[in-house]
Amino acid sequence: ETGVTQTPRHLVMGMTNKKSLKCEQHLGHNAMYWYKQSAKKPLELMFVYNFKEQTENNSVPSRFSPECPNSSHLFLHLHTLQPEDSALYLCASSQVRQGRSPLHFGNGTRLTVT
Amino acid sequence: DQQVKQNSPSLSVQEGRISILNCDYTNSMFDYFLWYKKYPAEGPTFLISISSIKDKNEDGRFTVFLNKSAKHLSLHIVPSQPGDSAVYFCAASSAGGTSYGKLTFGQGTILTVHP
Repeated sequence: ETGVTQTPRHLVMGMTNKKSLKCEQHLGHNAMYWYKQSAKKPLELMFVYNFKEQTENNSVPSRFSPECPNSSHLFLHLHTLQPEDSALYLCASSQVRQGRSPLHFGNGTRLTVT
Repeated sequence: DQQVKQNSPSLSVQEGRISILNCDYTNSMFDYFLWYKKYPAEGPTFLISISSIKDKNEDGRFTVFLNKSAKHLSLHIVPSQPGDSAVYFCAASSAGGTSYGKLTFGQGTILTVHP
C-alpha cells in the first residue's frame, strides 16, 4: 500500500461508545496530523505529532484522545462523543524539514454520532 | 476569525476555458501557500504550492499567483477539463515553532467544468 490509509471509512457510534480511528502512512514522513471537517466549515487542525511527540493540541475536548506509537501510525480514541462531533476526520502526514513540504491526506473516516 | 477565506462557494466553467479560483488571507505571518483538490469520498490531494518569496508558480495546466501586498492568491487552470470538477481548498502556513507544517484552510470552492 502507498500513501496514507485510514480505517474505518465509515463509523456510526452512540454517545456512550468507545471507538478508535486508525491512520497509517507509508511515505516515510516524520509528522502526522488529525484534521476535522464539519459540514460547511473549513478543515480544522486537531492534533500535530512531530517525531511521535505531540506538538499541538488545538483546544480539542478531552473526549478525543490521540496516540502516536511510532512515526507511521496515528490513532484517535473516541469516547462519550456528542452528535455535533459528527464529521469527516482526516489524517495527514508530512516530512518536517528545512523548507516546506505539503501534507498528504488519507481518505478520511466519516463519523456519525447518534 | 477566519484567516483564510475563499469568498466564492462555487464556480462554473465551460470545458477548454480558464478557471480562476481566488483566496484571501489576513495573517501577514503566512509565508507558504497551497492549493488542494478534493473529490467526494476522498481526502484532499495536493495540487500546487508557492512560497512568499515568489509571485508565480506553474505546473502544467495549473498556475498559482501570489500578491503579498493584497494578501491574495489565485489558482488558474488552463484549459479546464471536466475531470477538474471538484472542491478546491486554499491553505496557508507560517514558519517556525511548533506550528511547522500546520495548515489553515479556506472553506473551499466547488468547481464544475461543463463539457
